[in-house]
Amino acid sequence: SQTIHQWPATLVQPVGSPLSLECTVEGTSNPNLYWYRQAAGRGLQLLFYSIGIGQISSEVPQNLSASRPQDRQFILSSKKLLLSDSGFYLCAWHHLRGNYGYTFGSGTRLTVV
Amino acid sequence: GDSVTQMEGPVTLSEEAFLTINCTYTATGYPSLFWYVQYPGEGLQLLLKATKADDKGSNKGFEATYRKETTSFHLEKGSVQVSDSAVYFCALRGNQGGKLIFGQGTELSVKP
Repeated sequence: SQTIHQWPATLVQPVGSPLSLECTVEGTSNPNLYWYRQAAGRGLQLLFYSIGIGQISSEVPQNLSASRPQDRQFILSSKKLLLSDSGFYLCAWHHLRGNYGYTFGSGTRLTVV
Repeated sequence: GDSVTQMEGPVTLSEEAFLTINCTYTATGYPSLFWYVQYPGEGLQLLLKATKADDKGSNKGFEATYRKETTSFHLEKGSVQVSDSAVYFCALRGNQGGKLIFGQGTELSVKP
């Protein structure tokens, strides 16, 4: 069966420090991968998505970047965190074929102090 | 572009009350529709889905019917429990596949 892993679960980082959040998917190949951020208002903001290795699409301009070095690995990064980067970050995957929704990871709570 | 609109929260109900969370959408063609639930501190879980008009998705006592004529996918449950307290997201995915479009979420709080 397919599973998705995100880590760490929680993170407290000082302003100006770097960030690396990792997401991996098991049990499938060539998934579409997504990074979402959920700020205090609860809404979900799509940050990045990827349809293949090395292919990244950015939805909004921001202080963050994403990379996909392997088929089932998706990394969210920042060189210098801002206070406004605080939030709950969710990774998700799905297959383009089939009428299925996304499967989400358990999320990373990031607090920038 | 495609969009999803949900009723504003928070919604506060007593245990065993009837629940309706309204969801309407704007999309071309025939999108697939979804409800996700997010329990406190967790990621989103797929609650139910419907892929064509008049389909009814159901799970854990929750139901939603895909209404093409009113472009709606309202979530209902006949008798809510305290454990149903969560944030509920309505979402659509266009008939060409691709990204899910989420509503803004509706927080439900059920009191004993």
